[in-house]
Amino acid sequence: EMQLVESGGELVQPGWSLRLSCAASGFTFDDYAMHWVRQVPGKGLEWVSGISWNSNSIDYADSVKGRFAISRDNAKNSLYLQMNSLRTEDTALYYCAKASTMTIPKIDCWGQGTLVTVSS
Amino acid sequence: QLVLTQSPSASASLGASVKLTCTLTSGHSNYAIAWHQQQPEKGPRYLMDVNSDGSHNKGDGIPDRFSGSSSGAERYLTISNLQFEDEADYYCQTWGTGILGVFGGGTKLTVL
Repeated sequence: EMQLVESGGELVQPGWSLRLSCAASGFTFDDYAMHWVRQVPGKGLEWVSGISWNSNSIDYADSVKGRFAISRDNAKNSLYLQMNSLRTEDTALYYCAKASTMTIPKIDCWGQGTLVTVSS
Repeated sequence: QLVLTQSPSASASLGASVKLTCTLTSGHSNYAIAWHQQQPEKGPRYLMDVNSDGSHNKGDGIPDRFSGSSSGAERYLTISNLQFEDEADYYCQTWGTGILGVFGGGTKLTVL
């Protein structure tokens, strides 16, 4: 069974940094693109960042470009999101998501989410 | 620009059927989409993808009550024999040539 487990979310102050992790199991991790999607409680889903199977293709939403960095370690079946210069508007549940191909961002598996709260 | 439009809300009675709609922007009517369900206080769950020809492929364990179809730029999710556990937010999602995808705004389904 495919499984994604996020960790690293916590309460931080504006301007601080945070690193989210996602541990994958139940599938061949390096065969698929991976993504981070966030959701402000009570609101819709927002794509944050995506990374292809071999890390050659990476992109970010305009709202986080220059502040967030996505990476993956295929040997450890893990996905990461380094979040710098955090803002109050970054407060959200962050979901790790698996794509169904090496590059095309069609999601077919979600994690349970990790909560990031940015507040002074 | 690739945009997906969904009605904010829908409702139907227990045991009835409901058809949710996701509309692709003009010029993108041949795109496939994926449907995701988010029950209250839970993470999203992949339901199926729906192609422009109306064919659909469901995720593992998705009940037969859920089906997909297409007409032009519209993609549909039909849920038959509605159950209370079907009360959830439903999001459609698509993708272009880049590594990032696009979500619709979501439809909140209420089961009466």
